[in-house]
Amino acid sequence: KQEVTQIPAALSVPEGENLVLNCSFTDSAIYNLQWFRQDPGKGLTSLLLIQSSQREQTSGRLNASLDKSSGRSTLYIAASQPGDSATYLCAVPVSFNDMRFGAGTRLTVKP
Amino acid sequence: DTAVSQTPKYLVTQMGNDKSIKCEQNLGHDTMYWYKQDSKKFLKIMFSYNNKELIINETVPNRFSPKSPDKAHLNLHINSLELGDSAVYFCASSQALNEQFFGPGTRLTVL
Repeated sequence: KQEVTQIPAALSVPEGENLVLNCSFTDSAIYNLQWFRQDPGKGLTSLLLIQSSQREQTSGRLNASLDKSSGRSTLYIAASQPGDSATYLCAVPVSFNDMRFGAGTRLTVKP
Repeated sequence: DTAVSQTPKYLVTQMGNDKSIKCEQNLGHDTMYWYKQDSKKFLKIMFSYNNKELIINETVPNRFSPKSPDKAHLNLHINSLELGDSAVYFCASSQALNEQFFGPGTRLTVL
């Protein structure tokens, strides 16, 4: 049974720091992995999707890596800004009726 | 242009009532979903609808019924609302199991 875990649950950093968010999954036979951000009271915004055949994806200051053999993905945020403050979620599809989300990491970037 | 839209944004109703939430996507995707995010912010998939095939998560009560008038719409009907149905409901869409795009959410409060 696929389980998705995100550590830490919350993270607070000063502006300008580089940081890493972690996502782990128990079943390495994944189709892809997607990272989202959710702002308070808002919907989810897709950040990056990594296909199972890929090792990493980059978008601006964000870089997501995938290591299927160890069941891990990381989201690297470079030069963090206060506007990056949000909850970051990772998710893997198990089937058409089963998308497993982690509980999220709540990031606060202090000015 | 809004990719995935939901109405209403807020819904407050009495226990026992029947209500509907509408969802539309203009991305040309073939798969749409409904998710429930509970008070602990945990996201759980309820339904997916792909090429006229509805796939239901077995834990969803049969008071919940999705209806798709066409490929761009997946509405959620809820009968005999209960207190425990209070949550934020998100609609999403994707092309097969690829990147999912979420709507802004509907906050349902059952009194």
